[in-house]
Amino acid sequence: DIVMTQSPDSLAVSLGERATINCKSSQSVLYSSNNKNYLAWYQQKPGQPPKLLIYWASTRESGVPDRFSGSGSGTDFTLTISSLQAEDVAVYYCQQYYTTYTFGQGTKLEIK
Amino acid sequence: QVQLVESGGGLVKPGGSLRLSCAVSGFTFSDYYMSWIRQAPGKGLEWISYISTTGETIYYADSVKGRFTISRDNAKNSLYLQMNSLRAEDTAVYYCARARDIVVVDPPDYWGQGTLVTVSS
Repeated sequence: DIVMTQSPDSLAVSLGERATINCKSSQSVLYSSNNKNYLAWYQQKPGQPPKLLIYWASTRESGVPDRFSGSGSGTDFTLTISSLQAEDVAVYYCQQYYTTYTFGQGTKLEIK
Repeated sequence: QVQLVESGGGLVKPGGSLRLSCAVSGFTFSDYYMSWIRQAPGKGLEWISYISTTGETIYYADSVKGRFTISRDNAKNSLYLQMNSLRAEDTAVYYCARARDIVVVDPPDYWGQGTLVTVSS
């Protein structure tokens, strides 16, 4: 099974500042035949189901603000929030869908 | 609009059984892979199972293999999860979720609100 490890476990960032969350997979999630990384990012707020933010490692889901961006390839990925807003306080998860599904343990993002 | 509504959760004793249902609307159910994903109280997300559009392809997480069974009824626009031999560690909110694109195992884009399963004596 592919293990997903996120860092840090929690993060406090000032409003308007950049937030960066990392995700590492135990094996590559890059499918060579189509050159796509099978990696997604989710945002979950208390009492709500997760919301898909990014898929294929860097493609924003429709309606997601452009301050959210994803990058990386192979085994190392990053979710960046360019200018933190109050409504971005949440837990963020990475997920691989290369082989079934596996989620990272989550990163709790708070306001400093 | 797309809606997924889970039901069937509740309190059950260890070793007991429950059947969860997920009623969907707002999209062509038979075109999409569907999943069950759970979240223990205060914990992260754990994928449990997914099923292909016709039900021919099914996968389970090791933690539930042999105890849980996923199924679907495309005529009724419904997804199911039969849970047997329940353990305390199965206590969680159970979400049904739809794959983002048709006929492929994309990441889930629509999720239900979840149904709570509590396994306790």
